[in-house]
Amino acid sequence: NAGVTQTPKFQVLKTGQSMTLQCAQDMNHNSMYWYRQDPGMGLRLIYYSASEGTTDKGEVPNGYNVSRLNKREFSLRLESAAPSQTSVYFCASSERGRLAGAGEQYFGPGTRLTVT
Amino acid sequence: GENVEQHPSTLSVQEGDSAVIKCTYSDSASNYFPWYKQELGKRPQLIIDIRSNVGEKKDQRIAVTLNKTAKHFSLHITETQPEDSAVYFCAARDTSGTYKYIFGTGTRLKVLA
Repeated sequence: NAGVTQTPKFQVLKTGQSMTLQCAQDMNHNSMYWYRQDPGMGLRLIYYSASEGTTDKGEVPNGYNVSRLNKREFSLRLESAAPSQTSVYFCASSERGRLAGAGEQYFGPGTRLTVT
Repeated sequence: GENVEQHPSTLSVQEGDSAVIKCTYSDSASNYFPWYKQELGKRPQLIIDIRSNVGEKKDQRIAVTLNKTAKHFSLHITETQPEDSAVYFCAARDTSGTYKYIFGTGTRLKVLA
């Protein structure tokens, strides 16, 4: 049971390049999330998917797109990277509803992205 | 929009003393309040959580209290140890159907040996 996995772990891009960050979870969770964390800062929500087939903007969606490929996978795409997107990106998943245990959010190990 | 305020931003305590971190949320419909610990270079890890039908929850040296009327909740760590040094985040979960989490800005706790 791997939990939440992310690839790649590290990435360096030049301004204007594009890339896709991959995230997968094996806990059968309905909801998945993408956050960014800048140095010394908190977690800011970029996009989330409350359930398979739906995606919604979070606090800082500009410059990003997402795809909920299936229940397990949720990818984040940077179409034209900018230095302001240098950050650590965390994917997370959780269960919905009111069942016991619902609400606990599990994080992936993160992707450290540098845009030069 | 929804907001979670967290205080203090930094906290230094002597080993063995207690530490208290406080959060205030704005959305009165929030019903789930987790606390995360993040060590340097690592992912946030859930350490304790509380739901709105409970006023207090304890797990060994860690406890969380919730005051729904005042819309605030607190993390209490007793008998602090050097390995408690980390950044702690509180969060509140939206219950409007979106299931998104609003995070506080974090508290850097330093436990001095």
